[in-house]
Amino acid sequence: DTVLTQSPALAVSPGERVSISCRASEGVNSYMHWYQQKPGQQPKLLIYKASNLASGVPARFSGSGSGTDFTLTIDPVEADDTATYFCQQSWNDPTFGSGTKLEIK
Amino acid sequence: EIQLQESGPGLVKPSQSLSLTCSVTGYTITSGYDWSWIRKFPGNKMEWMGYISYSGSTNYNPSLKSRISITRDTSKNQFFLQLNSVTTEDTATYYCAKIITTTYYFDYWGQGVMVTVSS
Repeated sequence: DTVLTQSPALAVSPGERVSISCRASEGVNSYMHWYQQKPGQQPKLLIYKASNLASGVPARFSGSGSGTDFTLTIDPVEADDTATYFCQQSWNDPTFGSGTKLEIK
Repeated sequence: EIQLQESGPGLVKPSQSLSLTCSVTGYTITSGYDWSWIRKFPGNKMEWMGYISYSGSTNYNPSLKSRISITRDTSKNQFFLQLNSVTTEDTATYYCAKIITTTYYFDYWGQGVMVTVSS
């Protein structure tokens, strides 16, 4: 399995820029995708194939990376962005990161 | 708009089978795309379980291959998950989701159904 490693938690203030990282145990080309999950809700697709913004997602969200290192950036952060953010690769059988819980101070 | 909705028992006894239904509206599952099951364990770990394609072929996570079956009822626009010989480690929230086939990301998700395995 391709293991995806994420930092467990981050805390930022509204208006700041935050970068959430995801490292793959092997190269996944650009087949990395990002989801936002709020408590009690289903995951929502934010970014597909490393850097493509999903339909309806605000331009404050962006993605970058290739190979093994990927980043989801939110700039500027808003209070409503409180959520857990997951990465998922699809170069091999799909696997997910353990999620980064984002707290807005 | 495409919508997916999971349904099924919230409590299953150990060694029994877990059976869930995903009802799809807004798109016919035989028209295209793949249709998947994903679960999220307590503590946030998420696991892709498998999918059924628009043509009816299936692909399963190798870690579950001996216990899982995904089938469909095209007349009802539904697909199903059966997981056999469950243990307490199968306690999770189960989601169905639509896959973009060329790139294998999940663009539409159901709300999820929590299933507890307990005697």
